[in-house]
Amino acid sequence: SQTIHQWPATLVQPVGSPLSLECTVEGTSNPNLYWYRQAAGRGLQLLFYSVGIGQISSEVPQNLSASRPQDRQFILSSKKLLLSDSGFYLCAKPTNKRRCYFGPGTRLTVT
Amino acid sequence: KQEVTQIPAALSVPEGENLVLNCSFTDSAIYNLQWFRQDPGKGLTSLLLIQSSQREQTSGRLNASLDKSSGRSTLYIAASQPGDSATYLCAVEGGNDMRFGAGTRLTVKP
Repeated sequence: SQTIHQWPATLVQPVGSPLSLECTVEGTSNPNLYWYRQAAGRGLQLLFYSVGIGQISSEVPQNLSASRPQDRQFILSSKKLLLSDSGFYLCAKPTNKRRCYFGPGTRLTVT
Repeated sequence: KQEVTQIPAALSVPEGENLVLNCSFTDSAIYNLQWFRQDPGKGLTSLLLIQSSQREQTSGRLNASLDKSSGRSTLYIAASQPGDSATYLCAVEGGNDMRFGAGTRLTVKP
């Protein structure tokens, strides 16, 4: 199974509030996982990738952070949201054959 | 750092037309290249995956080619249909990450 779950589907949060987005995956153990953000009318920006529990690499310095508390769980967080954090957040997982599967995404609007 | 560019940004064609979407990348040291489709407000669906050692892949009316040395890929869509309307993104994988282009928004008019 290549099913990827993301929670919540949509979220509206005020500036300065905290954030926690969850991604859980099914299938092979210890998968590589990615967090991407897609701003309106723009391409996907790689935010974080993780090759295993507790292993996080950050691509873009910003007020977001990521954690990998369990093998199949990837969390995206922020202590204080900015307006510029609005966007569509996607969790992704490549298969053993490198085909990449994406979750359904979380639409975040910061007001 | 890998840079991926897609041309054109938007394309509108009448139904039945054959069309080509372009993708270019700056670093030829890639593992593979994928083409994705994204419908509005939805996640991405992988259409075709070309390994770095391959030249092309075909799936139904879709054909993707890869010229790694020149840093280019094309997605050919034959006999386009209104249901093909979506944003098409290419992505190159190298190391532990995957870099995306900004996409081409395709509209196929009935």
